[in-house]
Amino acid sequence: NAGVTQTPKFRVLKTGQSMTLLCAQDMNHEYMYWYRQDPGMGLRLIHYSVGEGTTAKGEVPDGYNVSRLKKQNFLLGLESAAPSQTSVYFCASRRHRDQPQHFGDGTRLSIL
Amino acid sequence: AQSVSQHNHHVILSEAASLELGCNYSYGGTVNLFWYVQYPGQHLQLLLKYFSGDPLVKGIKGFEAEFIKSKFSFNLRKPSVQWSDTAEYFCAVNATNDYKLSFGAGTTVTVRA
Repeated sequence: NAGVTQTPKFRVLKTGQSMTLLCAQDMNHEYMYWYRQDPGMGLRLIHYSVGEGTTAKGEVPDGYNVSRLKKQNFLLGLESAAPSQTSVYFCASRRHRDQPQHFGDGTRLSIL
Repeated sequence: AQSVSQHNHHVILSEAASLELGCNYSYGGTVNLFWYVQYPGQHLQLLLKYFSGDPLVKGIKGFEAEFIKSKFSFNLRKPSVQWSDTAEYFCAVNATNDYKLSFGAGTTVTVRA
């Protein structure tokens, strides 16, 4: 049982490049979340999904897009990367909104 | 929407000292409360949670937290810390009618041997 798996673990991009971060969970959880973690700011919610085929904006959605075509996968896309998007990205999932979230190991993204 | 405030940005302790981390939230309705820990280079792990019932909840590794509804607080405590408790600690709040979890900014705890 792998839990929540994020790929890649590290990535360096140039400004303007695009990329997709993948989050996969094998716990049959309904809800999935993408956060970014920056020093002194805790975790800020980018986008989330309450089920297959649904997505919604969080606190800091600008510059990001997401898709949840399959229940187990939640993709985070950066269409045109900017240095301000340098961060550690965490994916999380949970079965129900009254349950704790399970986190992946994070993706460290640097944009030059 | 709910918000979460953690009072201490960085706490430095010696081993065997007691630890208390403050957490306050702003939301007038019913909430679920969580404390997560992030060890250096790792992902967030759940320490403990409060949904209902006894306001004093016990978690893993000797941590406990007390929910005081009148003060909108959910402070984390440990009577005697160890070097291995060095980590960042996050308080999180989830209104029971909301899908989203709101996190505090985190408190870095450094335990010196």
